[in-house]
Amino acid sequence: DADVTQTPRNRITKTGKRIMLECSQTKGHDRMYWYRQDPGLGLRLIYYSFDVKDINKGEISDGYSVSRQAQAKFSLSLESAIPNQTALYFCATSDSRTSGRNEQFFGPGTRLTVL
Amino acid sequence: AQSVTQLGSHVSVSEGALVLLRCNYSSSVPPYLFWYVQYPNQGLQLLLKYTSAATLVKGINGFEAEFKKSETSFHLTKPSAHMSDAAEYFCAVSYGGSQGNLIFGKGTKLSVKP
Repeated sequence: DADVTQTPRNRITKTGKRIMLECSQTKGHDRMYWYRQDPGLGLRLIYYSFDVKDINKGEISDGYSVSRQAQAKFSLSLESAIPNQTALYFCATSDSRTSGRNEQFFGPGTRLTVL
Repeated sequence: AQSVTQLGSHVSVSEGALVLLRCNYSSSVPPYLFWYVQYPNQGLQLLLKYTSAATLVKGINGFEAEFKKSETSFHLTKPSAHMSDAAEYFCAVSYGGSQGNLIFGKGTKLSVKP
């Protein structure tokens, strides 16, 4: 069951192009997150949103922006892509009603290559 | 700043051998702890979690982990490795509350030899 979906799954683009990665969820969760994964570095948080009007920068937000269009949708934009943004990008969700345990549920990932 | 350390970026075991993946966190406040698994070309799947109940936590696929406050550790074990366990494993910590963000370790890639 695809509770957290990401589109596209793969994208190749050129330096300087604007790119948008999209995330949708049917879990009814209020919190959503964007991470990037690089080999040997684990997952690093880019942005997170606790509800539609609450968006926060994560560890590595420079060069990225986000939009929370609805509770179920959270998109990540690269305004002017550069090669070192080549990575695997994950969207995740969590439910604040679970007493702060913060278990997160991940989408399948978007593999982005910037040439 | 809080951090998570996974000792060993790559662990190799033989099929049937014990699997031990190490995770230590830095904090005097007991956090919530998670182990996630990532199979090749897939997203992250929750293996197990510690949320201040029993210190020995059992997860899916025969994995378990023990929370040891005195050692600030949450090592992942499985008595007998299977070829299908080959994957990358991530330890993550959350301190709950209004933040609730996850801090991930850098991952340990597990290889299983026949």
